Amino acid sequence: GAGVSQSPSNKVTEKGKDVELRCDPISGHTALYWYRQRLGQGLEFLIYFQGNSAPDKSGLPSDRFSAERTGESVSTLTIQRTQQEDSAVYLCASSLGQDSPLHFGNGTRLTVT
Amino acid sequence: DQQVKQNSPSLSVQEGRISILNCDYTNSMFDYFLWYKKYPAEGPTFLISISSIKDKNEDGRFTVFLNKSAKHLSLHIVPSQPGDSAVYFCAARSGGSNYKLTFGKGTLLTVNP
Repeated sequence: GAGVSQSPSNKVTEKGKDVELRCDPISGHTALYWYRQRLGQGLEFLIYFQGNSAPDKSGLPSDRFSAERTGESVSTLTIQRTQQEDSAVYLCASSLGQDSPLHFGNGTRLTVT
Repeated sequence: DQQVKQNSPSLSVQEGRISILNCDYTNSMFDYFLWYKKYPAEGPTFLISISSIKDKNEDGRFTVFLNKSAKHLSLHIVPSQPGDSAVYFCAARSGGSNYKLTFGKGTLLTVNP
């Protein structure tokens, strides 16, 4: 596709359940990022993948959060045992390299009830 | 501690007039600044950036000004158009971790016809 694709666009889940969010980056983009935006807040960095290097996970808020990326393609963000404070829009972005502008997807709006 | 601050949650201007969006930062290690624009239900899109070695960067109707001594930057849009109505995010990064953007909370710009 032409842009970064994220699925699902909306997800409602019960507290305590696990969720998986998917991101398809722009083809050829080696860098992939996950951010989240909670209500009334700015975007928070979660994790960064660059090629085959070890990801930078320093932004993940707890060990309930994990992410994987297969080569330079799809990434999955997993949140285990979801809590209400996990409710946010989760945004994926990709770029040609770490110095290139980020191209964001439309996000997944996660609501934990 | 919020390192990038956008103190105006909203701004309303008339079509054809100038829009000035402000951003302050506290981290003196930031050396590159970006503005992103976000429409509802879409991801942010890159608008314009500026390196700390410059004090001005212009791209069409958009100009970003940087005052390093005041740790302040601003985005000028002139003339403003109704299609510019969106949330504008200021973001910054430092050389040591230039893929971890720190975002402000955003300013909602409304351009009235």
